[in-house]
Order: sequence, then structure tokens, then C-alpha cells
Amino acid sequence: AQSVTQPDIHITVSEGASLELRCNYSYGATPYLFWYVQSPGQGLQLLLKYFSGDTLVQGIKGFEAEFKRSQSSFNLRKPSVHWSDAAEYFCAVGARSSASKIIFGSGTRLSIRP
Amino acid sequence: DTAVSQTPKYLVTQMGNDKSIKCEQNLGHDTMYWYKQDSKKFLKIMFSYNNKELIINETVPNRFSPKSPDKAHLNLHINSLELGDSAVYFCASSQDFGTGSSGANVLTFGAGSRLTVL
Repeated sequence: AQSVTQPDIHITVSEGASLELRCNYSYGATPYLFWYVQSPGQGLQLLLKYFSGDTLVQGIKGFEAEFKRSQSSFNLRKPSVHWSDAAEYFCAVGARSSASKIIFGSGTRLSIRP
Repeated sequence: DTAVSQTPKYLVTQMGNDKSIKCEQNLGHDTMYWYKQDSKKFLKIMFSYNNKELIINETVPNRFSPKSPDKAHLNLHINSLELGDSAVYFCASSQDFGTGSSGANVLTFGAGSRLTVL
């Protein structure tokens, strides 16, 4: 069965520190992978996506993620977080032929310590 | 210009009432969706429409009836509201459906409609 696991419900990091949010997936074929961010009271915004090619993908706001097939992971990283990065982060996996099959993880809430 | 807009943003109503949420996208996308986000932030797809045709109905009670008058609009009508319907409902759109195009799989979300059933 297809699934996405974000093992960390809530993470707090200091402003300026590095960040890594974990995402593991279970999927029958090579998936499309996404990270979305949700600010309070807002909809989800795409941070980055992996479809094929280079396994290290760059996104908006200085985020990057690395697809590791052997570990079924797609962890999100940022070298130095800003207070404005405080939000809910969702990892998602999708089929190569159907946007409607996109499955979301349960989210990781990121808090920033001043 | 807002790409995907939903109205209303907040909706408070009594059990048993009927309510609607409207969604419009100005991106020229062919596919639109309704997602439900529960109190634990879990996101689950409810419906998907492609060019006004229902593509996906993910085991949603038939009290929920989506309607797509054209490919830019997807409304959600809910009959006989129950306490468990309280959630944030997100409309989303994507470029296309099932073409294999990489752009087809990127969802653009609206800001959400928070429904509270008392």
C-alpha cells in the first residue's frame, strides 16, 4: 500500500540553525515526490518536487531535498532557518500518471526559537 | 490575482443544516480537487474533476455532492451536516490529469474553508 511517513510531529530549531525534516514513503513504483508548506490559516504551497534526474532538488525559500531510493526517503533540508520558516511541512508522493493519487504525510510542525 | 479562491473562508453552522463551499481557479487548469484536512492536519482527497467530469470519489458519504459547472469552478455542497464534518476543506487544481506530464502532478491550493459544525 502507498504511504508517506513523517516521523517527527513537531520540531523546534533555533533561528540560523540547520534543518532536516524526515520523510519516508512506501510506493510500488518510482514515485513523484513533493514537499509542501502550510503557513497558519493558509493553503499549501509547493516548496519543491522530484520527478526524475538529479536526486538533489532545489526549491523555493532556500530549501532542498534529496531522493534516496535505497532508503525510500525524501528528506527536506535548509542550511539556515529564518523565523518566517515556522509552518507545517507536508511530504507527499504521487503516481506518475495521476495527480489525484497524491498521498500526503501527516505533517511536521516547525517552530523557530529566537 | 488569486490563483485558486474559495468562499467562504469560515463557516459556522448547526448540525443538520446544508451548506456550500465555492471554488474558482484562474490558472487554466483542467483538473480540480477537494481535500479535507482534519484537526490533526491529515489531508485526504475527497473528489477530483477533470474538465467537469468526476474522476475520483474517495469513499465520501453521499451527503457530499460536488458540482463543476465549468472547468474553472468546483463547488462542494454538504447536506445534513454532522459534527464530524468539521474540518478545513481545501480546493486545489492541477494542469492536467493522467497525461504523464510532470506539470500535471503539481497541485495549487486555495487558502481553505474552515467549517465548524455545532
